[in-house]
Order: sequence, then structure tokens, then C-alpha cells
Amino acid sequence: QVQLQESGPGLVKPSETLSLTCSVSGASVNNDNYYWSWIRQPPGKGLEWIAYISSSGSINYNPSLKSRVTTSVDTSKKQFSLNLKSVTAADTAVYYCARLRVGWYYFDYWGQGTLVTVSS
Amino acid sequence: EIVLTQSPGTLSLSPGERATLSCRASQSISSSYLAWYQRKPGQAPRLLIYGASIRATGTPDRISGSGSGTDFTLTISRLEPEDFAVYYCQQYGSSPPWTFGQGTKVEVK
Repeated sequence: QVQLQESGPGLVKPSETLSLTCSVSGASVNNDNYYWSWIRQPPGKGLEWIAYISSSGSINYNPSLKSRVTTSVDTSKKQFSLNLKSVTAADTAVYYCARLRVGWYYFDYWGQGTLVTVSS
Repeated sequence: EIVLTQSPGTLSLSPGERATLSCRASQSISSSYLAWYQRKPGQAPRLLIYGASIRATGTPDRISGSGSGTDFTLTISRLEPEDFAVYYCQQYGSSPPWTFGQGTKVEVK
């Protein structure tokens, strides 16, 4: 059973960096059939894709966030991470990690999501 | 950016009834790249349908997807208690590569 679990601070101050980690169990991160993704949903708004990374280092960012986002993967720990710098209240959201199936481009497994609030 | 518009926003139905959910794209998309998800409070979103009509592993036969071009539909033939949830469509295409609809909530009438 593939499981993903987000972890990280639930509260971040404005202008600081939001950092989240996703831990993967039940599947190998070293599989070229899948990319590892981040998606968020601000309160009352829709889902927004943020980024993906592959185990071989392929990365793609949402152009609307590209200047502030970085993502990385640690295959030995079966984890991948998200950093979003210079956050504002608009970055308050539930953040999900998810596995993306290459070729079909759907997200077949998701974490439960973690709420990150940006506030002083 | 391809915008996905889901309707209705909320669907109030009784168990046993048929649910028809719509997802309309602002421009034509490949059926191969249209997916549907179910989300329940406190749970991870669950993939139901991909390729517009292909059931994901574990998706019951009462749930089906159809459509092409700009109009796609998710149908639940007979609502079971576990089907009351929020449903999202998602497409893969132009920049940004992935966009989602705003969701349709299926609630108990």
C-alpha cells in the first residue's frame, strides 16, 4: 500500500520560508514511471499544482510560483521536499504531496495534506 | 492556462439516486489527460478515473467517466453512503501543466 505523509511547521511568519517534507512508504522513489509532486489548496479556493521532481532530478515548477519555489528529493530516505520562500498570507493553504504517473499524468496517491498558516 | 469549470457546485441527492457531475474545459483537451478525484474530510484525495473513462484500481463499477474535447462527465449510477464527498476533475496540458476544477460537493439531501 503506497502512502505519502507530509510533515513540517503549521505556522510560518510572513517573509520567511515554508519548508515541507513528504515521506513515502510502500513504493520506491527510484522509479522513472513516477514523479513526486506538490499541490496546494488555499481556504475556499481551488487546487493548485506547485511542482514535481523525479528521482533522476527532472524538475518542473508552476510558472506562477517558479521564482519562489525549490524542490528536492532524497532517495535514500524516501523523502522529497518543498521550499517556498518569501511567503505571504496568500500562501496559507493545505499542502499535499502526491505521486504523479508519467505518461498519463494523473496523481494516483496523495498525502492527507497539512495546513500551513502564514501569520505573524 | 486551461480553466476547468465544474457544475453544479453542490449536488443534493439521496442514497440510491444517480449523480451526474460536469467538468467543462476552456479549450479542448486530450481525453487521455482528464482525471477525476474524490476527497472526503480528513482523508487523502483518491484517484477515481483517468484517461476520462478508465477506472482506477478499486473504483467501483457504479462510478464511470465519459466525455471528450471540452465536456466531461462523472456519473455515479446509484449513490452509496460512502459516495458523499467532494469531486474534482483535473487536466494535463499547457502551462501550467496541471489544473483542477473547483470541485462539486455531493451531499445528502
